[in-house]
Amino acid sequence: QVQLVQSGAEVKKPGASVKVSCKASGYTFTSYGISWVRQAPGQGLEWMGWISAYNGNTNYAQKLQGRVTMTTDTSTSTAYMELRSLRSDDTAVYYCARGLTFGGDPTMSYWFDPWGQGTLVTVSS
Amino acid sequence: QSVLTQPPSVSGAPGQRVTISCTGSSSNIGAGYDVHWYQQLPGTAPKLLIYGNSNRPSGVPDRFSGSKSGTSASLAITGLQAEDEADYYCQSYDSSLSGFWVFGGGTKLTVL
Repeated sequence: QVQLVQSGAEVKKPGASVKVSCKASGYTFTSYGISWVRQAPGQGLEWMGWISAYNGNTNYAQKLQGRVTMTTDTSTSTAYMELRSLRSDDTAVYYCARGLTFGGDPTMSYWFDPWGQGTLVTVSS
Repeated sequence: QSVLTQPPSVSGAPGQRVTISCTGSSSNIGAGYDVHWYQQLPGTAPKLLIYGNSNRPSGVPDRFSGSKSGTSASLAITGLQAEDEADYYCQSYDSSLSGFWVFGGGTKLTVL
């Protein structure tokens, strides 16, 4: 079955960096993009960015530009999200999710399925 | 503030019908971009519930349905069950500076 398995919880100090992995299985990794979504404690979902597993193209949310980098390793079907210069308000559960579309222009209809189990990143001094 | 606006909470008794609205603007839903819905049970990852405005993935009961009109979309749940108690999120694309794909703020469904 299609599955995304993420790395374990992390505790980081302000100013540090964190790198979360997301290993895909059950489908052809390079045929789909991966998005990263985060959820602060008690809050809603925030889309962080997207990477094409086919060619490595990326798009990042404007508020994270310059602090986030998304990469993939096609040899291991794994996607990575690195967030730098961590602040306390980066404390959240980080999810990876496969992107799906009907075809054609993905912006018209693009949804996320499945999702990884989530990785809690805690930023605290 | 989310680009897509959802009511913070809705409630209903078992067996009843509830609807959750998702209101956008001319840069997202009103521009023709599709709306998708997710269910997040407590302590778990979101799960796809409706895609392409009104399509259910296999395994999702037909008690769940979606619709879209103008700058808004709705999720309807009929025959409410205790296990439907969860947070529900809408998602679409926004062509403004706010980013690519955006989520609503989420709606907490309480089954009375």
